[in-house]
Amino acid sequence: EVQLLDSGGGLVQPGGSLRLSCAASGFSFSTYAMGWVRQSPGRGLEWVSGISGGGGASASGGTTYYADSVKGRFTISRDNSKNTLYLQMNSLRAEDTAVYYCAKESGVTVPGNYINSWGQGTLVTVSS
Amino acid sequence: DIQMTQSPSTLSASVGDRVTITCRASQNIDNWLAWYQQKPGKAPKLLISKASRLESGVPSRFSGSASGTEFTLTISSLQPDDFATYYCQQYNSFLFGQGTKVEMK
Repeated sequence: EVQLLDSGGGLVQPGGSLRLSCAASGFSFSTYAMGWVRQSPGRGLEWVSGISGGGGASASGGTTYYADSVKGRFTISRDNSKNTLYLQMNSLRAEDTAVYYCAKESGVTVPGNYINSWGQGTLVTVSS
Repeated sequence: DIQMTQSPSTLSASVGDRVTITCRASQNIDNWLAWYQQKPGKAPKLLISKASRLESGVPSRFSGSASGTEFTLTISSLQPDDFATYYCQQYNSFLFGQGTKVEMK
């Protein structure tokens, strides 16, 4: 069974940083593209970032994509040896406040695949 | 840039009703469209991919169809468990629709 455990959310001041993690199990993590999707309180879904799969079990990295709203501030990465996905968020703004979901894509590439598994979400609140 | 327009934003219906939700793309997206269901406080759940391919385990009362750049999610007979918010996603450009909340009439 696919499991994605999101963690790392919390309260942070504007301009601060936070790193989200997603521990994956139940599938060949290195094979699949992964991503992050966020949802602001009472709002819809917004895709944030994605990273391709296809690297070996000991590899890290991959082709990365970012929404314009986070480009230059957020960095997605993966450690295939630890089956873990990360999202480093810097220069945080009030509008980044949201629940962040880890997402498993249905294939190797980003874009071009749909999300077939989701984490439970972790709340990031940016406020002074 | 591709735009996705989902309608309606809210839909009031009763158990047993046939429900239709639409997503319209601003250009051809080759059926690269998925539908998700989300309940309050929960992560979304995949229902349909490639416009009409039902995900394993999803009840057959859910169906998806495409006509050009217009995509439809249909619930043939609404069940109590189906009251939720539904999103389309054009997954070649990451874009989600605005969502449709299906509420009890």
